[in-house]
Amino acid sequence: RKEVEQDPGPFNVPEGATVAFNCTYSNSASQSFFWYRQDCRKEPKLLMSVYSSGNEDGRFTAQLNRASQYISLLIRDSKLSDSATYLCVVRLDNNNDMRFGAGTRLTVKP
Amino acid sequence: DTEVTQTPKHLVMGMTNKKSLKCEQHMGHRAMYWYKQKAKKPPELMFVYSYEKLSINESVPSRFSPECPNSSLLNLHLHALQPEDSALYLCASSQAGAGGGQPQHFGDGTRLSIL
Repeated sequence: RKEVEQDPGPFNVPEGATVAFNCTYSNSASQSFFWYRQDCRKEPKLLMSVYSSGNEDGRFTAQLNRASQYISLLIRDSKLSDSATYLCVVRLDNNNDMRFGAGTRLTVKP
Repeated sequence: DTEVTQTPKHLVMGMTNKKSLKCEQHMGHRAMYWYKQKAKKPPELMFVYSYEKLSINESVPSRFSPECPNSSLLNLHLHALQPEDSALYLCASSQAGAGGGQPQHFGDGTRLSIL
């Protein structure tokens, strides 16, 4: 079983749509959780950290469910510029062991 | 602009060559990482340095040799690579230490092609 699993998509949505991605992790001792976005042929860039109480940044909302070992990302009012691959990243332990999910490809269409 | 600088941006080398990839950050981060990324795949962790000591080696072949000369620099020495090693090599850094909820910052990568 992979340490971090994501639905690879692709998700094709119209502008203005709301879209949600989920990510599950296998190690219950995992400590920190992040969502990154990666554009084609670019490096991953931090979108947001995920906190236990859930957190929001503009149109983006991240949630963590430790009991079920999943994190989610909700994007409201999708923009064309949101088209990218969204990567779930989990820090497994104190040893800075960071693992990526396979990424979910999102395309927002006019 | 990224705060993690990688050089070179592109590298083409033969299978018998020796080359090095370089990574530099001045954010005071004490954890530094090398990842390999193939097209349409996520980054795969190769090595982690914590406080300038190698803490994770993900069973990477010995033709890849990492080095962390100081807290700001991370190198990846390459020798006798194979065509399947062609990929984007990403360096990242983060705060180190227990319980840290600190994210990684990535360089924009070195695109490596092995002939």
